[in-house]
Amino acid sequence: SQQGEEDPQALSIQEGENATMNCSYKTSINNLQWYRQNSGRGLVHLILIRSNEREKHSGRLRVTLDTSKKSSSLLITASRAADTASYFCATLSGGYQKVTFGIGTKLQVIP
Amino acid sequence: DAGITQSPRHKVTETGTPVTLRCHQTENHRYMYWYRQDPGHGLRLIHYSYGVKDTDKGEVSDGYSVSRSKTEDFLLTLESATSSQTSVYFCAISMTGENQPQHFGDGTRLSIL
Repeated sequence: SQQGEEDPQALSIQEGENATMNCSYKTSINNLQWYRQNSGRGLVHLILIRSNEREKHSGRLRVTLDTSKKSSSLLITASRAADTASYFCATLSGGYQKVTFGIGTKLQVIP
Repeated sequence: DAGITQSPRHKVTETGTPVTLRCHQTENHRYMYWYRQDPGHGLRLIHYSYGVKDTDKGEVSDGYSVSRSKTEDFLLTLESATSSQTSVYFCAISMTGENQPQHFGDGTRLSIL
């Protein structure tokens, strides 16, 4: 079963625009993570936000977390063609560092 | 890039044959994971390891076994492969600690005919 569900499943934007992806989850979490996957490659960790944090920034990335709504959003500002990839949220609940991944959002940035 | 190597990168085999995938790390991380990735399902955890000879089942462990005899190697075995196990398999590693990210290999594309 998937803990995180991303929305939308696919997103197409022009270069320079902002891209927003959302993630909803079902149970309480320790942290929420976002990963990027380029075609044919493994996932790359982007950013982690703890359950007691509300917002976090890393370069052009901004992540928010609303634990009352069990949701998170990833904003990529001033998108570039190189941002074309699939983006996954992953939640950590409980011990042994097992995270549960969502299905992902496929982002296409058109030059 | 984290030092994770998966082998083989591609494999085609027949139903009923045994298959072993290898994950090798050079980071000395305690935790290692095997996932499968299928369209419409995202990544699903098969098995994970929290130390040498310490392993546990994930969400989709039926038909799979694992072994970890050394810190750096985590093996995934399909004892008798079935067509439903056609997938892309990813290995990941992480350090000890609640807020540690996972680092992934580039995957093994396995086709079972």
